[in-house]
Amino acid sequence: DVKVTQSSRYLVKRTGEKVFLECVQDMDHENMFWYRQDPGLGLRLIYFSYDVKMKEKGDIPEGYSVSREKKERFSLILESASTNQTSMYLCASSSGQDVEELFFGEGSRLTVL
Amino acid sequence: QKEVEQNSGPLSVPEGAIASLNCTYSDRGSQSFFWYRQYSGKSPELIMSIYSNGDKEDGRFTAQLNKASQYVSLLIRDSQPSDSATYLCAVSGAGSYQLTFGKGTKLSVIP
Repeated sequence: DVKVTQSSRYLVKRTGEKVFLECVQDMDHENMFWYRQDPGLGLRLIYFSYDVKMKEKGDIPEGYSVSREKKERFSLILESASTNQTSMYLCASSSGQDVEELFFGEGSRLTVL
Repeated sequence: QKEVEQNSGPLSVPEGAIASLNCTYSDRGSQSFFWYRQYSGKSPELIMSIYSNGDKEDGRFTAQLNKASQYVSLLIRDSQPSDSATYLCAVSGAGSYQLTFGKGTKLSVIP
C-alpha cells in the first residue's frame, strides 16, 4: 500500500520558534510537494522538489524553506514561525512519469501562538 | 497567475440524484485536469483525470472537458450519502510538475 507519512499530526508552537515538518514516502517517487490548506483559500503550493537536493518555489514560499537530502524525505522548515502560518500542511508525492496523481499524507495541523 | 474557479457550495442533492460540479480555469495552455475528493478531516484523493475534450466515465462518475470554453465538470450519478465531501478541481500545464487547485465545492447528499 502506498504511503506518505507526515511526522506530526498536530503541533503547537510559539511565535518565533523554528518548526520542522517531516514527510516520508515509500513509493520511490521523484516529486514531492508541500501545500498548505486554509478555509476559503484552498490548497496552495509552498515548495516542490523533483529530485534530490532540488527545490522549486511554489505560489507562497515566503517564510518557508525546504530540504530534500534523500529521495524519500522532504522537510518543510519555518525558520521563525508566525501566527499567520497557523494552517493545515499537506505533503504529497508523485512519480516522474505521472506527475498528475498526487498521493497525500494525512496532514500536519500547526498552531502558532 | 493561473486560476481555477469553483463554486464553494454547499451543493445539496437528494440521494439518488445527479450531482453536477463545475470548474473553470484561466490558463488556456492547461493540458491535464483532475478531480480530487476530500472527506472532512482527511486528505484529498484522486477520483478522476481527463486530458482530452469530451466525456470520461468511471462507474458513477463522469468527467467532462471543454477546452474551448476552459471548463471542466464532474457528474455523480445516483448520488449516495457517502459521496458527501469537498470536491477539488485541479489543473496542470504542459510539462509542469505543478497542479493548481480550485478552492473546492462542498457536496452534501441528503438521505
